[in-house]
Amino acid sequence: GAGVSQSPRYKVAKRGQDVALRCDPISGHVSLFWYQQALGQGPEFLTYFQNEAQLDKSGLPSDRFFAERPEGSVSTLKIQRTQQEDSAVYLCATRTWGSLYFGPGTRLTVT
Amino acid sequence: AQTVTQSQPEMSVQEAETVTLSCTYDTSESDYYLFWYKQPPSRQMILVIRQEAYKQQNATENRFSVNFQKAAKSFSLKISDSQLGDAAMYFCAYRGGAGSYQLTFGKGTKLSVIP
Repeated sequence: GAGVSQSPRYKVAKRGQDVALRCDPISGHVSLFWYQQALGQGPEFLTYFQNEAQLDKSGLPSDRFFAERPEGSVSTLKIQRTQQEDSAVYLCATRTWGSLYFGPGTRLTVT
Repeated sequence: AQTVTQSQPEMSVQEAETVTLSCTYDTSESDYYLFWYKQPPSRQMILVIRQEAYKQQNATENRFSVNFQKAAKSFSLKISDSQLGDAAMYFCAYRGGAGSYQLTFGKGTKLSVIP
């Protein structure tokens, strides 16, 4: 596809459930980022991949958050035992010529 | 740590008029990049304009231009001939120089366009 795509667009989870959020990056883009955007806030960095290597996971808020990109293309952000504070929009982005290009995001609501 | 401040939570502009959104940042680096992103209700973050700190000339993209004041650490966005489709959240963002990859975002400014 021409841009970054994410699925699902909306996810409602009951507290304690595990969720998996998918990102399909622009073909050939080496760098991939995940950001978390709480309501009324700017996005905050979660993690960064270069190809399949996760080079920085310093922004992941707890060990319940896990991200992978096993073949250097599609990436999955997994949240285990979801909590209400995990409710946010999760944005995936790839980088070209020094600028980030974002997908449409997944809005996660934990009830 | 770098910080980005957008002091205007909300702004409004009449259609066809000009509006300026403010952004200030704090950094000890001399080489860095600044960005403005637009986020409409669809949530897609769209890159509006980018400025390299080493460039003295202000960036321009069609109706969008910036006023980059490096000494003052100020990076404002001017939207000329505002259109209804410009209504969105606007985020200012900072990235360090070579080797940096994280973007630091401000809290955003909600722009309304009045027909």
